[in-house]
Amino acid sequence: IAGITQAPTSQILAAGRRMTLRCTQDMRHNAMYWYRQDLGLGLRLIHYSNTAGTTGKGEVPDGYSVSRANTDDFPLTLASAVPSQTSVYFCASSARGGNTDTQYFGPGTRLTVL
Amino acid sequence: GQNIDQPTEMTATEGAIVQINCTYQTSGFNGLFWYQQHAGEAPTFLSYNVLDGLEEKGRFSSFLSRSKGYSYLLLKELQMKDSASYLCAVMDSNYQLIWGAGTKLIIKP
Repeated sequence: IAGITQAPTSQILAAGRRMTLRCTQDMRHNAMYWYRQDLGLGLRLIHYSNTAGTTGKGEVPDGYSVSRANTDDFPLTLASAVPSQTSVYFCASSARGGNTDTQYFGPGTRLTVL
Repeated sequence: GQNIDQPTEMTATEGAIVQINCTYQTSGFNGLFWYQQHAGEAPTFLSYNVLDGLEEKGRFSSFLSRSKGYSYLLLKELQMKDSASYLCAVMDSNYQLIWGAGTKLIIKP
């Protein structure tokens, strides 16, 4: 069982380019999340989805979009990357959204925007 | 606003005991989580507290006092592999996790 996979592992991107970070889980979890982690700051929620077909905005959604066409996949898109989006991005999932279920994390994507 | 505070860095000796504190102010409370994160890796779940008191799980224990907005993670019989960052997170009234910046624990032989 892979759990949660993310791709790519790392990426260097020119400012202004479009980029999609991929996230797939095989645990049949209903809820999925995207976080960014920056040095000296806690994980910050970008977007979430409590179930397939629904999405919601987190703490820092500007400049990012998501879709949830099915249970397993939750891609994160940067429409026009800016240097402030340089970060480590983690995808997570939990059995149920809107609940106290434990969140499980993917290995992360290191993104550098130049 | 919502705030989670924990020390930035702590140092301890192999075989010893260390306590990592976390204080929080959030809009609502639906439980407190502790995660471990090794450098360059994903956070992994350690413990969950929603009621006051101590939860013990092997060498790791977690304590919660809701009235004081306070938790601690206690690590016993420290091993070199315990060198990692420890993240405190509170689930708020919207069932979203609010995260502290993490405590980097350095274990010395």
